Amino acid sequence: EPEVTQTPSHQVTQMGQEVILRCVPISNHLYFYWYRQILGQKVEFLVSFYNNEISEKSEIFDDQFSVERPDGSNFTLKIRSTKLEDSAMYFCASTGSGGNQPQHFGDGTRLSIL
Amino acid sequence: DQQVKQNSPSLSVQEGRISILNCDYTNSMFDYFLWYKKYPAEGPTFLISISSIKDKNEDGRFTVFLNKSAKHLSLHIVPSQPGDSAVYFCAASAGSYGQNFVFGPGTRLSVLP
Repeated sequence: EPEVTQTPSHQVTQMGQEVILRCVPISNHLYFYWYRQILGQKVEFLVSFYNNEISEKSEIFDDQFSVERPDGSNFTLKIRSTKLEDSAMYFCASTGSGGNQPQHFGDGTRLSIL
Repeated sequence: DQQVKQNSPSLSVQEGRISILNCDYTNSMFDYFLWYKKYPAEGPTFLISISSIKDKNEDGRFTVFLNKSAKHLSLHIVPSQPGDSAVYFCAASAGSYGQNFVFGPGTRLSVLP
């Protein structure tokens, strides 16, 4: 069964550094998402992406964040200047066309900011 | 502002018995609901969904019930198995195409052998 893959599985970064989290969505999917889960808290929506542009973003997704689909397969989340509170699990998800489709999640990248 | 609530942070059930996980929502615009299961160090795995035009959807041991008037849904697992032990998230969305999901905080289910 096709799956969403995320790399790296764990990223350790110094505060203030830039970090790029990578995702390969399921190949025929059209909608892409980033979520995060701070330890012990719920999964929170960050941003959705469709047709090469952001379709929706939450208030968490401020100017420090950006997303890109640099080629036909990768979907990336960049945090420009990381803060301690950015430490979390970051999940990528994708879904196909058609209404009411479940989102399929990758196994996440654990981001640790020191 | 918790639009999706799961008021039981944990639940323990004996193997073979029924597990009932509950979820309440406040946004009347939600029209598509899902349950995800999550093991440690893995991403959420889709289990079962229901749209607002239905009140029940069944898939094997898993059944989801939706009560729109009460803004409540539940997941029934019968019979429960030790491998079902995980965190279960309820999620909801409004609109059908590419809408983001709002997740509840999760319920940790422990199925005891």
